[in-house]
Amino acid sequence: AQRVTQPEKLLSVFKGAPVELKCNYSYSGSPELFWYVQYSRQRLQLLLRHISRESIKGFTADLNKGETSFHLKKPFAQEEDSAMYYCALRGIYNQGGKLIFGQGTELSVKP
Amino acid sequence: EPEVTQTPSHQVTQMGQEVILRCVPISNHLYFYWYRQILGQKVEFLVSFYNNEISEKSEIFDDQFSVERPDGSNFTLKIRSTKLEDSAMYFCASSDPRQRTYEQYFGPGTRLTVT
Repeated sequence: AQRVTQPEKLLSVFKGAPVELKCNYSYSGSPELFWYVQYSRQRLQLLLRHISRESIKGFTADLNKGETSFHLKKPFAQEEDSAMYYCALRGIYNQGGKLIFGQGTELSVKP
Repeated sequence: EPEVTQTPSHQVTQMGQEVILRCVPISNHLYFYWYRQILGQKVEFLVSFYNNEISEKSEIFDDQFSVERPDGSNFTLKIRSTKLEDSAMYFCASSDPRQRTYEQYFGPGTRLTVT
């Protein structure tokens, strides 16, 4: 089965606190994992992908194949990080293929 | 920066009516997609389109749905006879296989309300 699970619907933290948004996946082949973000009244946009191993806006995510996880982390949350975050995957050899999304986690960063 | 555009932003229709949702993908992109998100649920894939034909479709994409690229710029999703459960946010996306990343760029969505 191909599935992405984000166990938290809402994560609320204070500014400056560390953040971890959890993502677990199930995929029979080799997956490519992504985090998409949707700020209020804006479109879905790519935040980062596991293959690039980048840090974007202070966020990082490491693919853990043993635990089938791709958690999103940031050491010090900022108020502007408040948004919906979606974990997604597709087949690594199917780059024109569909994205499979998780339910999304709403991150709320309080002042 | 080029963006995917979608019209209308909100469409209200009665059950049984046909609707056409319109998308203008990013120029020179070659892969086109439709996704939908029912309120409170996850974003779900509907269909992908490449080289003037459907390349993949989900179980949701039954005979009531069709896609078309009527000209060089538009990409449309038609629902022939809408049902209440078709009420959702519909997102169009496009990607360029000549970009190494194959990143999918999303439109702002069309909110479809079926009454």
